[in-house]
Amino acid sequence: DAKTTQPNSMESNEEEPVHLPCNHSTISGTDYIHWYRQLPSQGPEYVIHGLTSNVNNRMASLAIAEDRKSSTLILHRATLRDAAVYYCILRRNFGNEKLTFGTGTRLTIIP
Amino acid sequence: NAGVMQNPRHLVRRRGQEARLRCSPMKGHSHVYWYRQLPEEGLKFMVYLQKENIIDESGMPKERFSAEFPKEGPSILRIQQVVRGDSAAYFCASSPGVDQPQHFGDGTRLSIL
Repeated sequence: DAKTTQPNSMESNEEEPVHLPCNHSTISGTDYIHWYRQLPSQGPEYVIHGLTSNVNNRMASLAIAEDRKSSTLILHRATLRDAAVYYCILRRNFGNEKLTFGTGTRLTIIP
Repeated sequence: NAGVMQNPRHLVRRRGQEARLRCSPMKGHSHVYWYRQLPEEGLKFMVYLQKENIIDESGMPKERFSAEFPKEGPSILRIQQVVRGDSAAYFCASSPGVDQPQHFGDGTRLSIL
């Protein structure tokens, strides 16, 4: 499986936008970029995924570089409830069902 | 629409006992996945099942661990003769089909005395 690299931790002020980076220089053409987050004492929660084009949903936006070697998860207005560990995961399409979690980025929101 | 339900939330066992962890997937989901999170570590894939079939068990320890997803009822992760190293949070996820996002339960925290 292709590897992803994320900063260990980040801090952001409440009500400010947050940009969480992820590098995946060995990504292959059939790898989708998935983001999950895990709040304290809870299971992971799906956030967003994409292949080539930027994606938006009610939780976040995903900006994917043109060469697909990096991506950025954007939380438009962070709240205290967004404090979590964020995981960037590459998932090959066509039936490779297991998710390979790295160490993720621990996001701290400062009130 | 209820999410993925796991029970019990906390389970305490003595060394040598058996642990049975249950997972009811979301309504309409026929794919179930089990992951384990050891203390201070990331989640590791264990097994992927569809109804009555094990599809991928590449992350399951070779001994003492088994999983099933019967035609009726929840998926069960069974650990026989538990040891201290089995202490972890066990998460179940479900999805409606292949290549779909996985929805996770809040886990079962297993403690071995």
